[in-house]
Amino acid sequence: NAGVTQTPKFRILKIGQSMTLQCAQDMNHNYMYWYRQDPGMGLKLIYYSVGAGITDKGEVPNGYNVSRSTTEDFPLRLELAAPSQTSVYFCASRDDSYEQYFGPGTRLTVT
Amino acid sequence: AQSVTQLGSHVSVSEGALVLLRCNYSSSVPPYLFWYVQYPNQGLQLLLKYTSAATLVKGINGFEAEFKKSETSFHLTKPSAHMSDAAEYFCAVSEGNDMRFGAGTRLTVKP
Repeated sequence: NAGVTQTPKFRILKIGQSMTLQCAQDMNHNYMYWYRQDPGMGLKLIYYSVGAGITDKGEVPNGYNVSRSTTEDFPLRLELAAPSQTSVYFCASRDDSYEQYFGPGTRLTVT
Repeated sequence: AQSVTQLGSHVSVSEGALVLLRCNYSSSVPPYLFWYVQYPNQGLQLLLKYTSAATLVKGINGFEAEFKKSETSFHLTKPSAHMSDAAEYFCAVSEGNDMRFGAGTRLTVKP
């Protein structure tokens, strides 16, 4: 049981490039989330999903897209990367008691 | 909409002293409340959660928190700090599909 896994761990992008952050969970949770964490700002919700085929925007969705074709996977797409997207990105899944389980994070730098 | 305020971005205590980390929430319905801990370069780990059962909640590593509806608070305490408690702590509230986090409190433990 690996829990929530994220790849890559680190990435450096040039301005204008695109990339996909991968997230997978093996706990059969319906709910999944993407957050970004900036110093002193806590975690901000980017997008979330309540099940395969259903996604919704969080607090800071601009510049990102998601899809949820399976229960296990919830990739986050960055189009036209900007320096403001330099952050640490966390994926999480949620069980029926509302507890969220977090992945180890992806540290992204856009230069 | 739900929100969380953590009072004090930095708290410093001596080893063996009481730890008190403050959290106030705003929610239109009875909330689910959480405390998470984050060690450097790691994801978030659940310390404890309140889900409308007992108002005094005990968590891992000797931490506990008390839900006070009249004060809309969910402060985290530990009677005696250990060096290993040094980390960042996040309070979070969930009243629906998503979760909102506070900005975090960095706890320093002095020998």
